[in-house]
Amino acid sequence: GENVEQHPSTLSVQEGDSAVIKCTYSDSASNYFPWYKQELGKGPQLIIDIRSNVGEKKDQRIAVTLNKTAKHFSLHITETQPEDSAVYFCAASIYNNDMRFGAGTRLTVKP
Amino acid sequence: GAVVSQHPSWVICKSGTSVKIECRSLDFQATTMFWYRQFPKQSLMLMATSNEGSKATYEQGVEKDKFLINHASLTLSTLTVTSAHPEDSSFYICSVKGSYNVNEQFFGPGTRLTVL
Repeated sequence: GENVEQHPSTLSVQEGDSAVIKCTYSDSASNYFPWYKQELGKGPQLIIDIRSNVGEKKDQRIAVTLNKTAKHFSLHITETQPEDSAVYFCAASIYNNDMRFGAGTRLTVKP
Repeated sequence: GAVVSQHPSWVICKSGTSVKIECRSLDFQATTMFWYRQFPKQSLMLMATSNEGSKATYEQGVEKDKFLINHASLTLSTLTVTSAHPEDSSFYICSVKGSYNVNEQFFGPGTRLTVL
């Protein structure tokens, strides 16, 4: 089955700096790669996703890149703000199948 | 995206009792619902997948007789933790998926279960 690895497990940046979180997946058939933000005591919220037919997607300060050949994808957050502090999870799934999550990255943005 | 609610948001119970958690899709026909468990500082662990009107499919290691799942309609799924024990204390989260976009999942706010 699919195995998703996520790095780093913790990330601390200064407000205004950029943050990058990387994930790798094992199943080349995976075609959907979402990123979720989870705040303390809340459920995960989808912040951006990318499908396998696209190499990059951007939404304001958030971008995701996908390298299908290397089987890795990354989340980029620019101009970080304290409210970006949360745990971020990457995930991968194959069409209509279960989603597998990475271990999570705890991002802390210092004011 | 879909709006998903869970009830209760938190529950404390005595060991040996049963607890029911509801997951509702408020504006979305959820053909598939998922139940996850999350321990502190850990990732989401899929417990089971249920399709409306069908029996749930449980992940390896998850006891189906202990975690009863009922997906009675396109908007409601329930998870019942039977004879709960302290080790069942966790954050339980449901998610929903529709038939239109078969990849996207929308998560509920979670239910914190504490078993004394």
